[in-house]
Amino acid sequence: GAVVSQHPSRVICKSGTSVKIECRSLDFQATTMFWYRQFPKQSLMLMATSNEGSKATYEQGVEKDKFLINHASLTLSTLTVTSAHPEDSSFYICSVPPTGGTDTQYFGPGTRLTVL
Amino acid sequence: QKEVEQNSGPLSVPEGAIASLNCTYSDRGSQSFFWYRQYSGKSPELIMFIYSNGDKEDGRFTAQLNKASQYVSLLIRDSQPSDSATYLCAVHRNQGGKLIFGQGTELSVKP
Repeated sequence: GAVVSQHPSRVICKSGTSVKIECRSLDFQATTMFWYRQFPKQSLMLMATSNEGSKATYEQGVEKDKFLINHASLTLSTLTVTSAHPEDSSFYICSVPPTGGTDTQYFGPGTRLTVL
Repeated sequence: QKEVEQNSGPLSVPEGAIASLNCTYSDRGSQSFFWYRQYSGKSPELIMFIYSNGDKEDGRFTAQLNKASQYVSLLIRDSQPSDSATYLCAVHRNQGGKLIFGQGTELSVKP
């Protein structure tokens, strides 16, 4: 069964609105989660590392005030795209590294965001 | 130079043939290497990971790692049309657990 869930799976919004995407770890607690973005025909680009109990760590070039990350609990991280614009339209995917010392990451099913 | 590089393809092979996917990485200190498969519109799914030099086999898949050459590959034997997807090579950075992805190779297996 699924290890990581995301909600919603697809969202269409108007330019200027904010959109919240949830990532849930279903099988284990996660102090760390990762958020990626993928544009069509391109690879996954890491946006930020979500840390439970502390601020997220953003990759270079990612605006922290635009992409708000809240690691609310050991099983939930949220990504809010604030004042979305058409160029923010993308496939947003979270991943969770399991406990137990492996480097493997399990990916959520992704959220397709379309900003009109 | 990109940190992880793959040929974007598309790579086309006939059904039943061996598909060979290649990946190079620039950080010599990288320790863990992963192959993910991604179908169109879906998120990546893990196929294999490899940590040590040499070959690692799992069913029809074989991962090969050569740290001296900073090269990792994935062989798919007896390729099936259902193997048609984009294959992503990923390298684990020791700092912070980040995975760095290559641009992916599109594989097409023709019946």
